[in-house]
Amino acid sequence: KQEVTQIPAALSVPEGENLVLNCSFTDSAIYNLQWFRQDPGKGLTSLLLIQSSQREQTSGRLNASLDKSSGRSTLYIAASQPGDSATYLCATGGAQKLVFGQGTRLTINP
Amino acid sequence: EAGVVQSPRYKIIEKKQPVAFWCNPISGHNTLYWYRQNLGQGPELLIRYENEEAVDDSQLPKDRFSAERLKGVDSTLKIQPAELGDSAVYLCASSYARQETQYFGPGTRLLVL
Repeated sequence: KQEVTQIPAALSVPEGENLVLNCSFTDSAIYNLQWFRQDPGKGLTSLLLIQSSQREQTSGRLNASLDKSSGRSTLYIAASQPGDSATYLCATGGAQKLVFGQGTRLTINP
Repeated sequence: EAGVVQSPRYKIIEKKQPVAFWCNPISGHNTLYWYRQNLGQGPELLIRYENEEAVDDSQLPKDRFSAERLKGVDSTLKIQPAELGDSAVYLCASSYARQETQYFGPGTRLLVL
C-alpha cells in the first residue's frame, strides 16, 4: 500500500527566500507524481505533474523533481512571495488513483 | 470555463441525521471523484466514476455512505446516518477520461454534532 509523507508539516520563511518542500513515497511503482496547492477553505489546485519517466517539471518560479529510486520528490519555490502562503500537497499512485501526503503548511512573512 | 461546483458549502447536522452533497463537474469531464479530507490530512478517495459507472469504491464505507451519478454528469454523495467521525471536508473532482490532471471543487465542510 502506497504511503506518502511530507516533511515538514509547517514552514515559515521571510519573503524573497528560496525554499524546498519534501515528499517521500514508499512504492516506487508510480504512474506520476503531482503537486497541489490548497488555500484555506478552498479546493486543490494542480501545480505540477511529473510523469514517472521524467525527472523534473518547471512552471514559473516552481520546479518539481522526482527520484523514483529513492522514493522522493521536491518542490522548489524561488523568490517566495506572501501570495505563496498555502498548504502544498503531493500525491502519487496509479493513473487515476492518487494517494496524498498530509501537506506542508507554508507561510511567507512580508 | 466554469469549475467544479459543489453544494452546500457548509453543513451542520446532529449525529444520526442524513446528509447529502451535490457535485457538478466541469462540462465534458467523464471521470468524477469524491474525496474526504480530515483536518490536517490529505484527501482520501471515496469513489471514482467513469461516466455512470462506479469503477473504484473500495474506500467507500458502504454501510452508511452511498453515491450516484445517474446521467453521467452531476453526482450526489449521501451519508445516512451520520456519525461524529464523519466531520470532514468532502471534495469533488473531475477530469477527462484517462487524463491525470484532476480539477477540484471548493468542497463541502460537514460538522456532525
